[in-house]
Amino acid sequence: DTAVSQTPKYLVTQMGNDKSIKCEQNLGHDTMYWYKQDSKKFLKIMFSYNNKELIINETVPNRFSPKSPDKAHLNLHINSLELGDSAVYFCASSLDPTRTDTQYFGPGTRLTVL
Amino acid sequence: DQQVKQNSPSLSVQEGRISILNCDYTNSMFDYFLWYKKYPAEGPTFLISISSIKDKNEDGRFTVFLNKSAKHLSLHIVPSQPGDSAVYFCAASPFGGGADGLTFGKGTHLIIQP
Repeated sequence: DTAVSQTPKYLVTQMGNDKSIKCEQNLGHDTMYWYKQDSKKFLKIMFSYNNKELIINETVPNRFSPKSPDKAHLNLHINSLELGDSAVYFCASSLDPTRTDTQYFGPGTRLTVL
Repeated sequence: DQQVKQNSPSLSVQEGRISILNCDYTNSMFDYFLWYKKYPAEGPTFLISISSIKDKNEDGRFTVFLNKSAKHLSLHIVPSQPGDSAVYFCAASPFGGGADGLTFGKGTHLIIQP
């Protein structure tokens, strides 16, 4: 069984479009995250949610809006896509936001904006 | 500003020999360090971690060493095997800062040659 899953795996779209990436974890974790890996291979935190509530928003443009319908899901919606949004987006989860637990990552979604 | 640095983008090692991957950090608040391994088209998977109260942690062929005064850690893999060929990310977080997400280095591509 996949612990952290993301859909779609690949997403190719035009500038200006709105798109969503879905993430689900079946680990019973309380905390979920979105990371962006850019063309320079930096993996950077974008958001973290605990029990459906936003904890961290790391200077991400307002065009990015995470939505957590329940503890097991954290979806990423992106409005008015720009060329610079092209990257691989990883979802992750961890047991507890206050402990230094390991994080479990999804397989990534490669977003290409044309 | 890179708070976690992996200065070797790639490393080539003969099968059976020791692989040593290095990582430096600048943020004194970091208290917990992790190594992740990543294969192409997959998410990072947790490999080994170390808390700042220790200077060494061992798990099978993998050992992580932490030199807190030098703000340096290293991952030793011995003996190196072909399946170890992957990108290795060093990551760090402050104590109790799981919700802040992890701060990653750029990764080192390890190539094990037969």
